[in-house]
Amino acid sequence: QSVLTQPPSASGTPGQRVTISCSGSSCNIGGNLVFWYQHLPGAAPRLLIYNNDQRPSGVPDRFSGSKSGTSASLAISGLRSEDEADYYCVAWDDCLKGRMFGGGTKLTVL
Amino acid sequence: EVYLLESGGGLVQPGGSQRLSCVASGFTVSNYAMSWVRQAPGKGLEWVSTISGASYTYYTDSVRGRFTVSRDNSKNTLYLQMNSLRAEDTAIYYCAKDTNIKCCYAMDVWGQGTTVTVSS
Repeated sequence: QSVLTQPPSASGTPGQRVTISCSGSSCNIGGNLVFWYQHLPGAAPRLLIYNNDQRPSGVPDRFSGSKSGTSASLAISGLRSEDEADYYCVAWDDCLKGRMFGGGTKLTVL
Repeated sequence: EVYLLESGGGLVQPGGSQRLSCVASGFTVSNYAMSWVRQAPGKGLEWVSTISGASYTYYTDSVRGRFTVSRDNSKNTLYLQMNSLRAEDTAIYYCAKDTNIKCCYAMDVWGQGTTVTVSS
């Protein structure tokens, strides 16, 4: 069981906005940067958000990240079928001295 | 072009050893922290290990003392030596390039993964 808690699933229809939460503690999200990755089955994971809310070049601005206290969120607006994937939040944990992945959220585009 | 290519996966018996390799192209591995991340069947992604540009090493608790991460700068290659393998180490292993020379920031380049199966 991960120290970063994500909902196991989320869904939306094309064009909708969905939000995926990531809940942690002062050991991790509360004191460190948060990153988000997209992972499609059979493919390499892809960096979506770094440093809480920054998008790498090539990532559409439909994807946005935010952090408040010991929680973070990934928002996807204008949902598209190709967004159907697993999404993971990641943060360093000062107490466990390790890089922690959330359990992942499977996004379904209905 | 920047890419990573893993190799070395396969079937290994419990208690056995395996060495994974990850060849980098388009950048110099010693200028960045480099990481291993795995995904067990039906499970999520799990960080395994990172080696910083200064060669400091970091491990998740479940592999510390059994796995060793290293780097050969002359070959621009990252390695993961896995000893005392257990069934729960069965997974796809990905290598990834960090964006910083220090551990543990964003991982912006990933390989396609190599599969390790621990079974008798």
